[in-house]
Amino acid sequence: RKEVEQDPGPFNVPEGATVAFNCTYSNSASQSFFWYRQDCRKEPKLLMSVYSSGNEDGRFTAQLNRASQYISLLIRDSKLSDSATYLCVVNSNTGGFKTIFGAGTRLFVKA
Amino acid sequence: DGGITQSPKYLFRKEGQNVTLSCEQNLNHDAMYWYRQDPGQGLRLIYYSQIVNDFQKGDIAEGYSVSREKKESFPLTVTSAQKNPTAFYLCASSMMDRGYEQYFGPGTRLTVT
Repeated sequence: RKEVEQDPGPFNVPEGATVAFNCTYSNSASQSFFWYRQDCRKEPKLLMSVYSSGNEDGRFTAQLNRASQYISLLIRDSKLSDSATYLCVVNSNTGGFKTIFGAGTRLFVKA
Repeated sequence: DGGITQSPKYLFRKEGQNVTLSCEQNLNHDAMYWYRQDPGQGLRLIYYSQIVNDFQKGDIAEGYSVSREKKESFPLTVTSAQKNPTAFYLCASSMMDRGYEQYFGPGTRLTVT
């Protein structure tokens, strides 16, 4: 089993749709969690951190479920510009620092 | 302008040659990282450094070397021992007290023939 797993997609959704991605992790001692977006042939850009209480930034909502060991990203009112690959990142610092990127979920938003 | 710079953007080398990729940050970040990304795959950690003059191997360090002589700089050398060096190389940096929230440079595409 991979340490961080994401559904590779692609998710094809119409503009205005709501779409959700999950990311599961295996290390229960993981401490910090993030979502990044990566456009084709570009570097990943930080989208948002994920906090235990859940957090929202405009149309984006991130949640953490420690009991089930997954994080989620919800995008409301999808725009064409949301088309990208979304990467989750899980960090731990128990017994040495470790940072693991998921392989990403591809999203295509269609007009 | 604060940020992370990587140079060059594209690099071509012949097999058997060592090549050094540059990474510089002016964000005053403590930690720096090198990743490689292959087509359709996720990022894999090569090396990271949390303080000057110290660095740790990541998951795929074989065939690579790094140095961290200054806080701002973390160059990566791809040696001839690296069997499949052609890839997209990404450098990142972070503050250790922000949960290691990483910021990336624009990357270097290395092609070895």
